[in-house]
Amino acid sequence: DAGVIQSPRHEVTEMGQEVTLRCKPISGHDYLFWYRQTMMRGLELLIYFNNNVPIDDSGMPEDRFSAKMPNASFSTLKIQPSEPRDSAVYFCASSSTLSSTEAFFGQGTRLTVV
Amino acid sequence: EDQVTQSPEALRLQEGESSSLNCSYTVSGLRGLFWYRQDPGKGPEFLFTLYSAGEEKEKERLKATLTKKESFLHITAPKPEDSATYLCAVHDFNKFYFGSGTKLNVKP
Repeated sequence: DAGVIQSPRHEVTEMGQEVTLRCKPISGHDYLFWYRQTMMRGLELLIYFNNNVPIDDSGMPEDRFSAKMPNASFSTLKIQPSEPRDSAVYFCASSSTLSSTEAFFGQGTRLTVV
Repeated sequence: EDQVTQSPEALRLQEGESSSLNCSYTVSGLRGLFWYRQDPGKGPEFLFTLYSAGEEKEKERLKATLTKKESFLHITAPKPEDSATYLCAVHDFNKFYFGSGTKLNVKP
């Protein structure tokens, strides 16, 4: 398996634009996590899914953020409209179980909102 | 209120100089404590999961231990390739909390 695949690796967009980040988890993993990492706040869990169903989205900062998982092999994180303070590295991770959470992370998407 | 606190923020060691990193936590229903390694520009890489006080796990030069209030990541005779940021995370009920990490720099 190629691991967790995220796209794009880098995204620069203007304030107010819609941004969509994509993730392909490891095949067979039932859990998918979206994280955001900044220097100020470190690594924060935004939302996680189990079997394509959102379980906990309490980390999603605002209504401008939304995440979907239409099938077991694909998830998106959308920001609409984007703001400069959304600039961060966004990671997707997947794992086979929640209790062990030996999560495998993707390479991340570095988002810059200007 | 911080659920996970890591110390020190940064640590510089000479090659071969053993040391320990600390992760203290205040969650009430610990379901697991995790250690990750993160290299610049990359996602975190899983190292260990610990579930109960007294548990220990080892991998090469790394050994993780857990008490009821904290975890230690012991690094024995580190090498320059051990330089990275080490992150601690806890699973509390349905929540996950990450510490801010310890940036380790091992000089040859």
